[in-house]
Amino acid sequence: AQSVSQHNHHVILSEAASLELGCNYSYGGTVNLFWYVQYPGQHLQLLLKYFSGDPLVKGIKGFEAEFIKSKFSFNLRKPSVQWSDTAEYFCAVNGETGFQKLVFGTGTRLLVSP
Amino acid sequence: NAGVTQTPKFRILKIGQSMTLQCTQDMNHNYMYWYRQDPGMGLKLIYYSVGAGITDKGEVPNGYNVSRSTTEDFPLRLELAAPSQTSVYFCASSYGGQGGGGETQYFGPGTRLLVL
Repeated sequence: AQSVSQHNHHVILSEAASLELGCNYSYGGTVNLFWYVQYPGQHLQLLLKYFSGDPLVKGIKGFEAEFIKSKFSFNLRKPSVQWSDTAEYFCAVNGETGFQKLVFGTGTRLLVSP
Repeated sequence: NAGVTQTPKFRILKIGQSMTLQCTQDMNHNYMYWYRQDPGMGLKLIYYSVGAGITDKGEVPNGYNVSRSTTEDFPLRLELAAPSQTSVYFCASSYGGQGGGGETQYFGPGTRLLVL
């Protein structure tokens, strides 16, 4: 079955540090890839997504992600984090089990200290 | 637009009780979903619906039932609550009109359920 791996469960950074969160998926066919963010006390919202075209995707709040098909990866990056980026980040993919059925990773909890 | 709304926000149930989690969206989306989120486990799809009258099982459907009589509403029913159903439940919706799967899912604020 399709799976998504997020290897970093907890990340602690200081403000202005650079961020990279790993995401790997298992399905080798056509996929769509997403990063969702859940700020404390709020519901999930879309950060960015890859559907087709340029594998470097830019999202909201200065985040970007690169789809590397050969590595089955879709890592999330931000050059300089802020305290307000403290949140839980989820990678998700669809494709193998139907394009409307998202499979989520276990999430990465990011804490940014001021 | 209110987006996706869920009620209640929090509920405590006793083992064996039943309840319905409500979900409503006002975006005229065709597709709706129910997920559960357990600590350290990410979100798991329980059920989904591609339109009124059509529902299908997700990854973890056991112990739950759904119905979709209107485009707007997608209630989730727990018939005999068990401690294993303690979780946070999220409803989501997406347009579903173009296919290809690149559509964004919009999530509700969640319902926190505790079964004792």
